[in-house]
Amino acid sequence: QKEVEQNSGPLSVPEGAIASLNCTYSDRGSQSFFWYRQYSGKSPELIMFIYSNGDKEDGRFTAQLNKASQYVSLLIRDSQPSDSATYLCAVKRSGAGKSTFGDGTTLTVKP
Amino acid sequence: DTAVSQTPKYLVTQMGNDKSIKCEQNLGHDTMYWYKQDSKKFLKIMFSYNNKELIINETVPNRFSPKSPDKAHLNLHINSLELGDSAVYFCASSRSGDEQFFGPGTRLTVL
Repeated sequence: QKEVEQNSGPLSVPEGAIASLNCTYSDRGSQSFFWYRQYSGKSPELIMFIYSNGDKEDGRFTAQLNKASQYVSLLIRDSQPSDSATYLCAVKRSGAGKSTFGDGTTLTVKP
Repeated sequence: DTAVSQTPKYLVTQMGNDKSIKCEQNLGHDTMYWYKQDSKKFLKIMFSYNNKELIINETVPNRFSPKSPDKAHLNLHINSLELGDSAVYFCASSRSGDEQFFGPGTRLTVL
């Protein structure tokens, strides 16, 4: 079992729809959870982080964390073609240790 | 004002050669990383330094040797390059393991 698993995708949604990206993790000691977006040919960039159970909203993005279920998700409302990218989930324990990345889910938003 | 910079951006070389990639960050972060992203886009951590001390050393051939002369710099030297080393190498930095900021990447092609 991989430490961090994401829907393999690709995920395709129409413009204006809600895109839902899911991530599960195996280490119950995980404390910090991150979502990165990576456009083709570019480097990953952080779009959301969440540390506590529940929802965290930032504009059109909502991160959801359920530590009991070891599950973190990213919802993108009113999806735009510019949201088309690979989304990487990353999980880490506290401190300066490593973040473990999932293999990513590629999202395509069709006009 | 580039936050995390890498040089070179592209590196094309013959099998058996030795090459280096340099990384610098001007964010005042204390932790720096090297990642390898292969053709399938999987992002795998290789090394991490915290305050110039090696704290993460994943299963990487010993042909790869990182060096951190100071907190702002982390270089990667690769000896006896092999075809399988062809990938994009990303440098990243963070403050004590929080969200990471990635450099633009170095695309290494071994012929």
